[in-house]
Amino acid sequence: DQQVKQNSPSLSVQEGRISILNCDYTNSMFDYFLWYKKYPAEGPTFLISISSIKDKNEDGRFTVFLNKSAKHLSLHIVPSQPGDSAVYFCAARNSGYALNFGKGTSLLVTP
Amino acid sequence: DSGVTQTPKHLITATGQRVTLRCSPRSGDLSVYWYQQSLDQGLQFLIQYYNGEERAKGNILERFSAQQFPDLHSELNLSSLELGDSALYFCASSVEIDTQYFGPGTRLTVL
Repeated sequence: DQQVKQNSPSLSVQEGRISILNCDYTNSMFDYFLWYKKYPAEGPTFLISISSIKDKNEDGRFTVFLNKSAKHLSLHIVPSQPGDSAVYFCAARNSGYALNFGKGTSLLVTP
Repeated sequence: DSGVTQTPKHLITATGQRVTLRCSPRSGDLSVYWYQQSLDQGLQFLIQYYNGEERAKGNILERFSAQQFPDLHSELNLSSLELGDSALYFCASSVEIDTQYFGPGTRLTVL
């Protein structure tokens, strides 16, 4: 069963605008959430994370928001740049150590 | 560069064969994780080792096994290979339950 869901397989955004990538989860025991970015033929690269005790974490152009009551998190990229074009994976961890990944959202930032 | 190395980068083999994938974690990381990414699937957790001991198991087939050696590198052994085992196999490492950093992956093709 897919405990982490990214319902949008793809997203296209103009350069300079905001990109919003969404992620839903079903397991209320998840206590830590991460976003990874992946280019073709490379491994996932860690982007940003958030603990379940917070509702927002910011790092430069990237902000992650967590809504625990809705079991939803989102990644905001502002402003979007062509180099941000990649597949973005949402991941969640429970009290164990394994990460549960969504299937990814392919972001295309057009000039 | 995450600091996690994986070899080989590509592997082509036939059904019924056995292969070994190798992973060297980042310096200082005691935990190693193995993930499988099949076509159109997110990353699926296979197994985790911590300082030489198995710590967690995911959806790992009985035909698959892994180990972590005293120098902390890890090997994933896949035997009696089937066509459906064709996938990208990623290794990740972390310090305790910190953020996981991924290697570039091994692409396995079973013909």
